[in-house]
Amino acid sequence: KNEVEQSPQNLTAQEGEFITINCSYSVGISALHWLQQHPGGGIVSLFMLSSGKKKHGRLIATINIQEKHSSLHITASHPRDSAVYICAVVVGNYQLIWGAGTKLIIKP
Amino acid sequence: DTEVTQTPKHLVMGMTNKKSLKCEQHMGHRAMYWYKQKAKKPPELMFVYSYEKLSINESVPSRFSPECPNSSLLNLHLHALQPEDSALYLCASSPRNTNTEAFFGQGTRLTVV
Repeated sequence: KNEVEQSPQNLTAQEGEFITINCSYSVGISALHWLQQHPGGGIVSLFMLSSGKKKHGRLIATINIQEKHSSLHITASHPRDSAVYICAVVVGNYQLIWGAGTKLIIKP
Repeated sequence: DTEVTQTPKHLVMGMTNKKSLKCEQHMGHRAMYWYKQKAKKPPELMFVYSYEKLSINESVPSRFSPECPNSSLLNLHLHALQPEDSALYLCASSPRNTNTEAFFGQGTRLTVV
């Protein structure tokens, strides 16, 4: 069993839909990152969370440390949101354990 | 300036070549990282530099040689690579460690022929 599990693996939705991507982990962590990667491209850090909730534009990330679960929400989704979304948890000072990613496609 | 800049963006090299990948940030971050990412897989940590000193080497073959000449620059020297080393090489930086926000470069797409 992977230490970081993301669901769904693939998600296709229509423009405007509300999107939720989930991340569950089984290890003790000090923080959790949500990251975005476009095809063939680099990685953009969206959020770093250690508790509660963060919002940036149409993106919202929440974390429940007791339940070892985090969610990334996208409101009013747009085709430019199409990318792979990755959850990575921080163990120790430098170790990031990465989820397998969720490939999101938003159709116009 | 909140960017991590990697050069070159693409590199094709033969198995006998010597080349270097470069990474630069001017955010005053004191931790810098090299990751290797194969297609459709999460990044794998290769090296971590903390305050210009190598603090983590994840059992990376010696044909990959990192260097941190100063707090803004991180190099990855490549020599005698194999075709299976073809991948996206990502550089990242963070203020101190990954408990803080991490910034990633766009990566260098390396092809070994």
